[in-house]
Amino acid sequence: AQTVTQSQPEMSVQEAETVTLSCTYDTSENNYYLFWYKQPPSRQMILVIRQEAYKQQNATENRFSVNFQKAAKSFSLKISDSQLGDTAMYFCAFRGSNYKLTFGKGTLLTVNP
Amino acid sequence: DVKVTQSSRYLVKRTGEKVFLECVQDMDHENMFWYRQDPGLGLRLIYFSYDVKMKEKGDIPEGYSVSREKKERFSLILESASTNQTSMYLCAIERWDTEAFFGQGTRLTVV
Repeated sequence: AQTVTQSQPEMSVQEAETVTLSCTYDTSENNYYLFWYKQPPSRQMILVIRQEAYKQQNATENRFSVNFQKAAKSFSLKISDSQLGDTAMYFCAFRGSNYKLTFGKGTLLTVNP
Repeated sequence: DVKVTQSSRYLVKRTGEKVFLECVQDMDHENMFWYRQDPGLGLRLIYFSYDVKMKEKGDIPEGYSVSREKKERFSLILESASTNQTSMYLCAIERWDTEAFFGQGTRLTVV
């Protein structure tokens, strides 16, 4: 069974600075998807960024980018120029051949003014 | 815009009651999921369905059942609610080539 580990239960960052959230996973599969989801306080969970394992290039979406290290089974999220609206719970997730999503326990990120 | 609608945002039920949580989608996605979210535990999969009348157990199915009579609707049933089922419940839809889309969540309190 796949497992996803987020080792930072909480993090904080100053507005406009950069922060990196860590995620590691364990799988024996070679083709899979990795995701970062964001859940703002009392709001819906939404996708931040996704990465296909067969793509070597790291995914980027505006201020959000990932560092995907397949051999190390690491998938960290970097948020540049942090904004107050980035305050949220962030979940790393894995999807393999059975199409089920496995989530980490989440990292609560607080952006301070 | 993708719409995944859960029937209630907040729900308070008594111990022993039968509870129905409804989820409706407008995207014609085959795959639908029910998760439970608890602080410090992340999201845990209760049940999922790949098609109408089809269901599979997730990681924590005990105390729950599901129903999918139509493609757009996936119901989670608590046969006899207990206080340890107090939680946030999230419905999600997905295709194999897309990310998951989530409902707004139902915060259930069992007293």
